[in-house]
Order: sequence, then C-alpha cells, then structure tokens
Amino acid sequence: KQEVTQIPAALSVPEGENLVLNCSFTDSAIYNLQWFRQDPGKGLTSLLLIQSSQREQTSGRLNASLDKSSGRSTLYIAASQPGDSATYLCAVRPGHGSGGSNYKLTFGKGTLLTVNP
Amino acid sequence: DGGITQSPKYLFRKEGQNVTLSCEQNLNHDAMYWYRQDPGQGLRLIYYSQIVNDFQKGDIAEGYSVSREKKESFPLTVTSAQKNPTAFYLCASNPTALNNQPQHFGDGTRLSIL
Repeated sequence: KQEVTQIPAALSVPEGENLVLNCSFTDSAIYNLQWFRQDPGKGLTSLLLIQSSQREQTSGRLNASLDKSSGRSTLYIAASQPGDSATYLCAVRPGHGSGGSNYKLTFGKGTLLTVNP
Repeated sequence: DGGITQSPKYLFRKEGQNVTLSCEQNLNHDAMYWYRQDPGQGLRLIYYSQIVNDFQKGDIAEGYSVSREKKESFPLTVTSAQKNPTAFYLCASNPTALNNQPQHFGDGTRLSIL
C-alpha cells in the first residue's frame, strides 16, 4: 500500500528566505506526483504536476523535482512571501490499476508553512 | 468560470439523522471524488466515480453513500451509521480522457454534530 510522508510537518521562515518542502513515497510505481496548496478552511489548489518521466516542473517562484527511483520529491519556494503561508500537500497517482483505481491519489499529511513579515 | 461548487459551506447533523452534501462541477470532467479531511490525518478517499451511474468505494466508505445520476453531480450522504462524521469534506474531479491533468477541488463542507 502506498504511503506518502511529508517533512517537516510545520515550518516557519522569515520573508524572503528560500525554502524546501519534502515529500517521500514508498511505492515508486507512480504515474505522476502533484503538489497542492490549501488555505485555511478552503479546498486544494493544484500548484504543479510532475509526470513520472519528468525530473522537474517550474511555475513562477515554485520548482518541484521528482526522483522516482528513490521515492522523493521536493518543492522549492524562492524568495518566500507572507502570501505563501498555507498548507502544502503532495499526492501521488499510481502507475498501475484499472477500473478507476489508477486515478486514486494518495496524499501526504501536508506541511504547514508560515512566512513571517 | 468553470469549477466545482460544494454546498452548504457549513452543516450540522443531529443524532440519527442523514445529511446530504452537494457537489456540482461544470468542468465536463468524467471522474469525481469525495474526500474526508481530519486534523493531522490528511485526505482520505470515501467514494469515487469514473462515469455516470457507476461508483466505487474508497478507503473509508462505511457510513457513507453516493449517487452519480448526472455527469455534473456527485452528492454524498452521511448516514446515521457514520458515528464520527465531524470533519471537512472535499469534492474533487478530473478528466479521464486526458492523462496527467490535476485534480480540481471544491471549497469544502464542514460538518459538525449538534
């Protein structure tokens, strides 16, 4: 059974700092990995999706990397801002299965990021 | 704008009562999902549906039921058999014809016990 772990559970940094959030998964047979952002009391917003054949994806100040063989992904946030404060979740989609089970995402518990002005 | 609408935003359930959470999407997505989120637990899959009139149990389906009579709608009923229903419920969807598309989420319904 796939397990996804995110470290650290919480992180507090001063504004302007570059930071890295970590995600690890136990079954490397994944189809893709997604990073989401969740603001308090809200749903999830997709930030980046990395296909299993890719090494990284970039969007603005965000860069996500994937090392499928070692079961690891990182989300790099450059020049952090107070508006980046949120919970960041990673999720993996399995590379196998049928009948819809291959679309089921397994989520980590998230990293709560606080960026202090 | 396309998106997923969940209603109500807050819901209260009395002992022995069934309640239904609404999820509507206008993204023309085939697949829809219901997740439960508890503090410190992450998201857990309750039910999912790949096509109309078909759905499968997720990891924590006991005490819940769903229907998928229309592509746009995937309501979740929390039955009286669910003894600990207090949680944040999230509905999501994604296309199945196009691979490597992210899941889209609604803004959630927070359910509490009266």
